[in-house]
Amino acid sequence: ETGVTQSPTHLIKTRGQQVTLRCSSQSGHNTVSWYQQALGQGPQFIFQYYREEENGRGNFPPRFSGLQFPNYSSELNVNALELDDSALYLCASSTRDGNFYGYTFGSGTRLTVV
Amino acid sequence: RKEVEQDPGPFNVPEGATVAFNCTYSNSASQSFFWYRQDCRKEPKLLMSVYSSGNEDGRFTAQLNRASQYISLLIRDSKLSDSATYLCVVPDPFAGNMLTFGGGTRLMVKP
Repeated sequence: ETGVTQSPTHLIKTRGQQVTLRCSSQSGHNTVSWYQQALGQGPQFIFQYYREEENGRGNFPPRFSGLQFPNYSSELNVNALELDDSALYLCASSTRDGNFYGYTFGSGTRLTVV
Repeated sequence: RKEVEQDPGPFNVPEGATVAFNCTYSNSASQSFFWYRQDCRKEPKLLMSVYSSGNEDGRFTAQLNRASQYISLLIRDSKLSDSATYLCVVPDPFAGNMLTFGGGTRLMVKP
């Protein structure tokens, strides 16, 4: 059973640029959620994808967008990067079928915007 | 009021000590609760889940008080390796189990 994998692990971008982060969900999981964790804070919910559609969104502007593919993998896209977007971006997978046993997190992508 | 609140700490304790963290939540609809452990610059990892009044796993005990809307985590016989940030996590069952995290409580276990 494979876990959640994210790529890249680290990334440095310039303010105003665009970035795409990728996530492969754990085998058997059909729901992917993205979280942003700024230094010293708890993760903040960005959005969730289920059956290739956005299924809930946190308090993030439209320049944060995503996709989910038929194999349940997902992308997070951020346009017009700002300095405050510097954070650890976490992808988490779970299943919507049956009981909820929590999420499995990937190791994250550390984004630095300069 | 924040949806999930935790004392940020740090809690500095000697090896072998017993330490307890509390967490309060505002979403009364939540049915399950989680404690995640996060090491420095790593991803959160599930430590314990709480579905009813409590759960015990070795040195770790999690308890839930629905009336007062708080969850606690007790660590007995602390080890150096327990040093980490402990995140209280509350899913929203009416929002696809979207997770709301507390800010985390940092634990430092000293020799």
